Amino acid sequence: DSGVTQTPKHLITATGQRVTLRCSPRSGDLSVYWYQQSLDQGLQFLIQYYNGEERAKGNILERFSAQQFPDLHSELNLSSLELGDSALYFCASSALWAGRQGYTFGSGTRLTVV
Amino acid sequence: AQKITQTQPGMFVQEKEAVTLDCTYDTSDPSYGLFWYKQPSSGEMIFLIYQGSYDQQNATEGRYSLNFQKARKSANLVISASQLGDSAMYFCAMREGRGSIQGAQKLVFGQGTRLTINP
Repeated sequence: DSGVTQTPKHLITATGQRVTLRCSPRSGDLSVYWYQQSLDQGLQFLIQYYNGEERAKGNILERFSAQQFPDLHSELNLSSLELGDSALYFCASSALWAGRQGYTFGSGTRLTVV
Repeated sequence: AQKITQTQPGMFVQEKEAVTLDCTYDTSDPSYGLFWYKQPSSGEMIFLIYQGSYDQQNATEGRYSLNFQKARKSANLVISASQLGDSAMYFCAMREGRGSIQGAQKLVFGQGTRLTINP
C-alpha cells in the first residue's frame, strides 16, 4: 500500500456520461496531483491542489474539473465523456519539499468509455 | 515544450546483462530533481531512484544507479544484472524548483521506454 488511495480501480461507462474519481493522499501530504495516461503514453499532468487551493493547471479539458476538500481528499470530475477519455488516471501526493521522498502515486483508476 | 526526452521507445536485453535507459532534460532552473519510475503491466507507478541537481554523487539504490551528467543534462538509469521481473515501462521525470509555501512543483514525465528482458 503506497499510502495514496484511489477509487474506483476500474470504471466502465458510456459516452456522454459523467464520472467522479476519488483520491485520498498519503497522511501528512498537502499536495495532490492528477495525471492522465492514455494507452502507451507518458503521464500528462492535469491539475494540482495544495491544501485546498488550485496550485497549477496542465492541459485539462474544460469538461474536466477537480477539487480538494478540507480533509485533503480530492475528486476529479469528468463529464460529457468521449471515447478518447479512456485512460489510466493517477493521483499522486507529496509533502511540501518533494525531495527523495518524492511523490507517492496511487494505483490508478482505469476508465473505459464505450 | 518537451522537457524530458526518452529516445528509446523499446529495448530488448538478455537476462543478467546490464542495461542503460536514456533520459535528457531541459530546464533553466538551477534547482531541480530527477526521478525514475517503473510501471509494470499491472499499471502501478513504482519509484526507483532520485537525483537532486545539487547532489555531488550519482544516486544508487540496489541494482539501480543514475548516471547524472549535469553539463549534458542527462540522467540515464542503469540497471545491473537485469532480471525477468525488470520487464516494464520505465519513465524519467523531473521536478523544477524545490517547492514553496504553495507546495512542490508538478512532475513532468518523458514518454517512457518499454524494457523487455529475454531469458
